Amino acid sequence: DTGVSQNPRHKITKRGQNVTFRCDPISEHNRLYWYRQTLGQGPEFLTYFQNEAQLEKSRLLSDRFSAERPKGSFSTLEIQRTEQGDSAMYLCASSPPWAEAFFGQGTRLTVV
Amino acid sequence: DAKTTQPPSMDCAEGRAANLPCNHSTISGNEYVYWYRQIHSQGPQYIIHGLKNNETNEMASLIITEDRKSSTLILPHATLRDTAVYYCIVRVHTGTASKLTFGTGTRLQVTL
Repeated sequence: DTGVSQNPRHKITKRGQNVTFRCDPISEHNRLYWYRQTLGQGPEFLTYFQNEAQLEKSRLLSDRFSAERPKGSFSTLEIQRTEQGDSAMYLCASSPPWAEAFFGQGTRLTVV
Repeated sequence: DAKTTQPPSMDCAEGRAANLPCNHSTISGNEYVYWYRQIHSQGPQYIIHGLKNNETNEMASLIITEDRKSSTLILPHATLRDTAVYYCIVRVHTGTASKLTFGTGTRLQVTL
């Protein structure tokens, strides 16, 4: 499968715990995006990487959230001290320059 | 990025054409119209985009009015698998980060 891969697909965690999600983009896509989607809403932009550089962050990305893309390939999104309001689908997308974004199937986070 | 307005839901009989409208009256001259769809529990999928000319690909056709204030996505022969939420997005198509700003979209239900 050469699409965008996200792991895990589902995560249930207790409030206050830390969680980390991984995204493997399509090979040679230098751009990588993270979005968050809550029930009944469209995806909301969180952050964007071009290669290893994080070039844009949404104000939605509070200081409990951190994203990395250390070698310009896969990316991780970590949420510290999770809250119930963090329950959502976290989507990753990648694209080459000047082309449309391809999305993964997302990681559904449930904070109990 | 310009805002878009879409009907919250539409029905279409299988085999018939599905015509999904989108209003973007504040679109700027350098903004493109993009369409994505999201099938339940999956990530968004790119469908088509255009600037001012009508576009067609293997999935759909995009008709943009001459004043570019509205557009219509046409699925020529809708199938049950086309049941999804369809998002119309207007954005600048540049070489720099250009995140997608999703609204709530149109929920298309294709029925037998």
